[in-house]
Amino acid sequence: KQEVTQIPAALSVPEGENLVLNCSFTDSAIYNLQWFRQDPGKGLTSLLLIQSSQREQTSGRLNASLDKSSGRSTLYIAASQPGDSATYLCAVRPDSGYALNFGKGTSLLVTP
Amino acid sequence: DTGVSQDPRHKITKRGQNVTFRCDPISEHNRLYWYRQTLGQGPEFLTYFQNEAQLEKSRLLSDRFSAERPKGSFSTLEIQRTEQGDSAMYLCASSRTAYNEQFFGPGTRLTVL
Repeated sequence: KQEVTQIPAALSVPEGENLVLNCSFTDSAIYNLQWFRQDPGKGLTSLLLIQSSQREQTSGRLNASLDKSSGRSTLYIAASQPGDSATYLCAVRPDSGYALNFGKGTSLLVTP
Repeated sequence: DTGVSQDPRHKITKRGQNVTFRCDPISEHNRLYWYRQTLGQGPEFLTYFQNEAQLEKSRLLSDRFSAERPKGSFSTLEIQRTEQGDSAMYLCASSRTAYNEQFFGPGTRLTVL
């Protein structure tokens, strides 16, 4: 069974800092990996999708990397802002099956 | 593209009652997924539809749960004889193909008293 782990569980940084969120998965037979943002009590907002053949994807201040063979992905956030405060979730889609397997998320607080 | 919508947004019910949730996917997305999320956890997969066909169900989907997508457009998730352990956020997602990005709705928060 695919296990997805996100470290750290919580992170607090001052505004302007660059930061890295980590995601690891136990089974490297994945089709793609998706990063989401979730605000309290809300649904999920898709941030980035990385196909298994890709090494990284970028969107604005966000950059996600994927090392499929080692079972790792990182989400890099540049020049953090208070509006970035949210929970960030990593999810992997296996080669077989359609379900996304999620980690528990990293709760990020960016202080002014 | 109006996004995935879900109704209701909140539902409070008493134990033993039946509840039904609705999900409207993004138009032209023929893949639809249901997930459940409890506090402090990531979403857990419940079931998947390709058009009107239910192709995958999680073992989490007990006999009290049933999902339909009768015309390949909107979907409903029904929970019969609700239990306190059913209290959670129920999330719906859709995608254009099985390999594309999944887009999520705002969720339905269920509280069972």
